Amino acid sequence: AQKVTQAQTEISVVEKEDVTLDCVYETRDTTYYLFWYKQPPSGELVFLIRRNSFDEQNEISGRYSWNFQKSTSSFNFTITASQVVDSAVYFCALSDPYSSASKIIFGSGTRLSIRP
Amino acid sequence: SQTIHQWPATLVQPVGSPLSLECTVEGTSNPNLYWYRQAAGRGLQLLFYSVGIGQISSEVPQNLSASRPQDRQFILSSKKLLLSDSGFYLCAWSPVAGVDTQYFGPGTRLTVL
Repeated sequence: AQKVTQAQTEISVVEKEDVTLDCVYETRDTTYYLFWYKQPPSGELVFLIRRNSFDEQNEISGRYSWNFQKSTSSFNFTITASQVVDSAVYFCALSDPYSSASKIIFGSGTRLSIRP
Repeated sequence: SQTIHQWPATLVQPVGSPLSLECTVEGTSNPNLYWYRQAAGRGLQLLFYSVGIGQISSEVPQNLSASRPQDRQFILSSKKLLLSDSGFYLCAWSPVAGVDTQYFGPGTRLTVL
């Protein structure tokens, strides 16, 4: 069965610290997509990244980086030099290959608080 | 570019009253459309999705229904609201071709009293 686990329910760090959000997934498929979304206090989910299962290169975008490791079924997200604006709930998600409608399966989310 | 709108932004309704939430997408054709609910402090629950006009799939049996009267319009309805319908409702769209990213609207915060 498809499943996404975000074991960290809440994380709190002081501004400028680095922080890593963990994501572990389960799938029987060889072709799949992984996603990260950010939900700031305003509520709207903001798309951050999509990763194809055949592309294991790490991705870096400014202070954000993603580490995809198929061997451990993990897709972790690191924020370097965190800022107060990074405070949000972050969701990891996995594509559902049995869906005809691009359905994705979300983890339960990690609430990140950055203290000034 | 594509944009997605939801209204109203907030809504307070009494138990037993009807509900109609609207979602529209601009800048794309024949998108897949989705309704999610998020209870306070919880994760996302997919309620309905649609791959075309008049085509609605329900994920969870409940007090709600959805309709897609036009290509880029998705409506979430209820005849009689329950307290448990309170939550944050998010609409999303994705391109039709293959597995692709879902893009979300700003959401509607519904409180049933």
